[in-house]
Amino acid sequence: KNEVEQSPQNLTAQEGEFITINCSYSVGISALHWLQQHPGGGIVSLFMLSSGKKKHGRLIATINIQEKHSSLHITASHPRDSAVYICAVRSSGNQFYFGTGTSLTVIP
Amino acid sequence: DVKVTQSSRYLVKRTGEKVFLECVQDMDHENMFWYRQDPGLGLRLIYFSYDVKMKEKGDIPEGYSVSREKKERFSLILESASTNQTSMYLCASSPGQGIGYGYTFGSGTRLTVV
Repeated sequence: KNEVEQSPQNLTAQEGEFITINCSYSVGISALHWLQQHPGGGIVSLFMLSSGKKKHGRLIATINIQEKHSSLHITASHPRDSAVYICAVRSSGNQFYFGTGTSLTVIP
Repeated sequence: DVKVTQSSRYLVKRTGEKVFLECVQDMDHENMFWYRQDPGLGLRLIYFSYDVKMKEKGDIPEGYSVSREKKERFSLILESASTNQTSMYLCASSPGQGIGYGYTFGSGTRLTVV
Protein backbone atom coordinates (compact mmCIF):
# COMPACT_ATOMS: atom_id res chain seq x y z
CA LYS A 1 0.00 0.00 0.00
CA ASN A 2 1.35 3.41 -0.95
CA GLU A 3 1.41 6.09 1.71
CA VAL A 4 0.62 8.65 -1.01
CA GLU A 5 -2.01 8.05 -3.66
CA GLN A 6 -2.61 10.33 -6.63
CA SER A 7 -5.46 10.51 -9.06
CA PRO A 8 -5.84 10.44 -11.93
CA GLN A 9 -2.74 8.66 -13.22
CA ASN A 10 -3.17 10.15 -16.68
CA LEU A 11 -5.07 13.22 -17.75
CA THR A 12 -5.65 14.77 -21.15
CA ALA A 13 -7.23 18.18 -21.37
CA GLN A 14 -8.01 20.78 -24.02
CA GLU A 15 -6.18 24.08 -23.80
CA GLY A 16 -8.07 26.44 -21.53
CA GLU A 17 -9.66 23.77 -19.35
CA PHE A 18 -9.57 23.84 -15.55
CA ILE A 19 -7.59 20.90 -14.24
CA THR A 20 -7.58 19.23 -10.84
CA ILE A 21 -5.12 16.62 -9.61
CA ASN A 22 -5.77 14.94 -6.28
CA CYS A 23 -3.47 13.55 -3.61
CA SER A 24 -4.41 11.51 -0.55
CA TYR A 25 -1.97 10.38 2.09
CA SER A 26 -2.12 8.07 5.06
CA VAL A 27 0.66 9.33 7.36
CA GLY A 28 0.92 12.30 9.66
CA ILE A 29 2.82 14.99 7.83
CA SER A 30 4.85 18.09 8.49
CA ALA A 31 4.60 19.30 4.89
CA LEU A 32 3.24 18.36 1.49
CA HIS A 33 4.95 19.22 -1.78
CA TRP A 34 3.71 19.44 -5.32
CA LEU A 35 6.43 18.81 -7.87
CA GLN A 36 6.44 19.22 -11.64
CA GLN A 37 8.57 17.02 -13.86
CA HIS A 38 9.01 17.91 -17.49
CA PRO A 39 9.97 15.47 -20.26
CA GLY A 40 13.71 14.98 -19.93
CA GLY A 41 13.51 14.56 -16.18
CA GLY A 42 14.06 17.89 -14.47
CA ILE A 43 11.91 18.38 -11.39
CA VAL A 44 10.70 21.71 -10.08
CA SER A 45 9.14 22.25 -6.70
CA LEU A 46 5.84 24.09 -7.24
CA PHE A 47 4.45 24.35 -3.74
CA MET A 48 5.18 23.40 -0.19
CA LEU A 49 2.08 23.34 2.04
CA SER A 50 1.37 22.61 5.65
CA SER A 51 -2.11 24.14 5.76
CA GLY A 52 -4.65 26.10 3.76
CA LYS A 53 -4.05 27.23 0.23
CA LYS A 54 -1.29 28.68 -1.93
CA LYS A 55 -1.48 30.34 -5.33
CA HIS A 56 1.20 31.00 -7.90
CA GLY A 57 0.07 32.34 -11.23
CA ARG A 58 -2.41 29.87 -12.72
CA LEU A 59 -1.57 27.20 -10.15
CA ILE A 60 -3.44 26.74 -6.89
CA ALA A 61 -2.69 24.13 -4.23
CA THR A 62 -4.94 23.32 -1.30
CA ILE A 63 -4.58 20.98 1.62
CA ASN A 64 -7.07 19.61 4.14
CA ILE A 65 -5.08 18.21 7.05
CA GLN A 66 -8.08 16.58 8.73
CA GLU A 67 -9.04 14.71 5.56
CA LYS A 68 -5.39 14.04 4.59
CA HIS A 69 -6.02 15.33 1.12
CA SER A 70 -4.51 17.90 -1.20
CA SER A 71 -5.45 19.17 -4.63
CA LEU A 72 -3.49 20.93 -7.33
CA HIS A 73 -5.55 23.07 -9.68
CA ILE A 74 -4.45 24.59 -12.97
CA THR A 75 -6.63 27.32 -14.38
CA ALA A 76 -6.70 28.16 -18.11
CA SER A 77 -4.43 25.21 -18.92
CA HIS A 78 -1.83 25.56 -21.64
CA PRO A 79 0.22 23.00 -23.61
CA ARG A 80 3.33 24.08 -21.71
CA ASP A 81 1.65 22.74 -18.55
CA SER A 82 2.08 19.24 -19.99
CA ALA A 83 4.23 17.41 -17.46
CA VAL A 84 4.12 14.85 -14.70
CA TYR A 85 2.87 16.25 -11.41
CA ILE A 86 4.05 14.51 -8.28
CA CYS A 87 2.68 14.79 -4.78
CA ALA A 88 5.20 14.22 -2.00
CA VAL A 89 4.87 14.34 1.77
CA ARG A 90 7.36 14.75 4.55
CA SER A 91 6.06 12.77 7.48
CA SER A 92 6.13 13.82 11.09
CA GLY A 93 8.89 11.26 11.49
CA ASN A 94 10.97 13.01 8.80
CA GLN A 95 10.44 10.36 6.13
CA PHE A 96 9.65 11.28 2.54
CA TYR A 97 6.90 9.55 0.57
CA PHE A 98 6.05 10.14 -3.07
CA GLY A 99 3.02 9.54 -5.21
CA THR A 100 3.58 7.83 -8.56
CA GLY A 101 2.64 10.99 -10.43
CA THR A 102 -0.08 12.28 -12.71
CA SER A 103 0.84 12.61 -16.36
CA LEU A 104 -0.90 15.66 -17.82
CA THR A 105 -1.17 16.37 -21.52
CA VAL A 106 -2.77 19.62 -22.63
CA ILE A 107 -3.82 19.64 -26.26
CA PRO A 108 -3.85 22.91 -28.22
CA ASP B 1 19.65 31.03 -8.37
CA VAL B 2 19.43 27.80 -6.42
CA LYS B 3 21.15 24.97 -8.23
CA VAL B 4 21.67 21.24 -7.99
CA THR B 5 23.89 19.88 -10.75
CA GLN B 6 24.20 16.26 -11.77
CA SER B 7 27.29 15.55 -13.80
CA SER B 8 25.72 13.45 -16.55
CA ARG B 9 22.29 13.50 -18.20
CA TYR B 10 22.72 10.11 -19.88
CA LEU B 11 25.02 7.22 -19.06
CA VAL B 12 25.42 3.77 -20.54
CA LYS B 13 27.43 1.27 -18.52
CA ARG B 14 28.14 -2.44 -18.72
CA THR B 15 27.03 -5.02 -16.19
CA GLY B 16 29.61 -5.35 -13.45
CA GLU B 17 31.12 -1.90 -13.89
CA LYS B 18 31.57 0.43 -10.95
CA VAL B 19 29.51 3.56 -11.62
CA PHE B 20 29.79 6.97 -9.99
CA LEU B 21 26.95 9.49 -10.16
CA GLU B 22 27.96 12.93 -8.97
CA CYS B 23 25.77 15.65 -7.53
CA VAL B 24 26.86 19.14 -6.54
CA GLN B 25 24.79 21.90 -4.93
CA ASP B 26 25.79 25.53 -4.53
CA MET B 27 23.31 26.52 -1.82
CA ASP B 28 25.20 25.44 1.30
CA HIS B 29 22.43 22.94 2.08
CA GLU B 30 22.97 20.44 4.86
CA ASN B 31 20.75 17.72 3.43
CA MET B 32 21.29 15.83 0.21
CA PHE B 33 19.35 12.91 -1.24
CA TRP B 34 19.57 10.32 -3.99
CA TYR B 35 16.38 8.91 -5.52
CA ARG B 36 15.63 6.61 -8.37
CA GLN B 37 12.50 6.95 -10.44
CA ASP B 38 10.89 4.05 -12.27
CA PRO B 39 7.60 3.88 -14.20
CA GLY B 40 4.72 2.95 -11.94
CA LEU B 41 6.86 3.14 -8.79
CA GLY B 42 7.47 6.84 -8.52
CA LEU B 43 10.43 8.27 -6.66
CA ARG B 44 12.16 6.01 -4.15
CA LEU B 45 14.81 7.14 -1.72
CA ILE B 46 18.15 5.31 -1.97
CA TYR B 47 20.35 7.20 0.51
CA PHE B 48 20.45 10.56 2.17
CA SER B 49 22.93 12.63 4.12
CA TYR B 50 22.35 15.27 6.80
CA ASP B 51 25.97 16.34 7.09
CA VAL B 52 29.45 15.82 5.76
CA LYS B 53 30.64 12.23 6.16
CA MET B 54 27.19 11.25 7.40
CA LYS B 55 24.86 8.92 5.50
CA GLU B 56 21.60 7.13 6.13
CA LYS B 57 19.94 4.35 4.19
CA GLY B 58 16.70 5.12 2.46
CA ASP B 59 14.11 2.66 1.25
CA ILE B 60 16.19 0.82 -1.37
CA PRO B 61 19.91 1.01 -0.50
CA GLU B 62 20.86 -2.47 -1.69
CA GLY B 63 23.48 -2.39 -4.44
CA TYR B 64 24.37 1.24 -3.76
CA SER B 65 26.72 3.21 -1.58
CA VAL B 66 27.30 6.94 -1.15
CA SER B 67 30.05 9.35 -0.29
CA ARG B 68 29.86 12.84 1.15
CA GLU B 69 33.36 14.16 1.75
CA LYS B 70 32.39 17.79 1.20
CA LYS B 71 29.17 19.60 2.02
CA GLU B 72 28.41 20.50 -1.58
CA ARG B 73 29.00 17.08 -3.14
CA PHE B 74 27.06 13.84 -2.71
CA SER B 75 28.10 10.87 -4.81
CA LEU B 76 26.09 7.73 -5.52
CA ILE B 77 28.12 4.63 -6.24
CA LEU B 78 26.94 1.45 -7.92
CA GLU B 79 29.59 -1.03 -6.81
CA SER B 80 28.79 -3.55 -9.55
CA ALA B 81 26.13 -2.30 -11.93
CA SER B 82 23.30 -4.63 -12.83
CA THR B 83 20.56 -4.35 -15.42
CA ASN B 84 17.91 -3.83 -12.73
CA GLN B 85 19.67 -0.61 -11.83
CA THR B 86 18.71 0.89 -15.18
CA SER B 87 16.69 3.90 -14.09
CA MET B 88 16.45 7.65 -13.79
CA TYR B 89 18.51 8.88 -10.83
CA LEU B 90 17.64 12.18 -9.20
CA CYS B 91 19.65 14.11 -6.66
CA ALA B 92 18.05 16.68 -4.35
CA SER B 93 19.12 18.98 -1.56
CA SER B 94 17.37 20.89 1.21
CA PRO B 95 18.38 23.37 3.90
CA GLY B 96 18.25 21.83 7.34
CA GLN B 97 16.34 19.14 9.15
CA GLY B 98 13.47 21.24 10.40
CA ILE B 99 9.90 20.58 9.43
CA GLY B 100 8.52 21.93 6.21
CA TYR B 101 11.77 22.61 4.41
CA GLY B 102 11.46 22.46 0.65
CA TYR B 103 14.02 20.90 -1.54
CA THR B 104 15.58 21.38 -4.97
CA PHE B 105 16.14 18.62 -7.51
CA GLY B 106 18.83 18.15 -10.10
CA SER B 107 17.89 17.48 -13.71
CA GLY B 108 18.45 13.75 -13.40
CA THR B 109 20.77 11.12 -14.83
CA ARG B 110 19.26 8.44 -17.02
CA LEU B 111 21.42 5.37 -16.51
CA THR B 112 21.22 2.34 -18.77
CA VAL B 113 23.08 -0.82 -17.74
CA VAL B 114 23.63 -3.25 -20.59
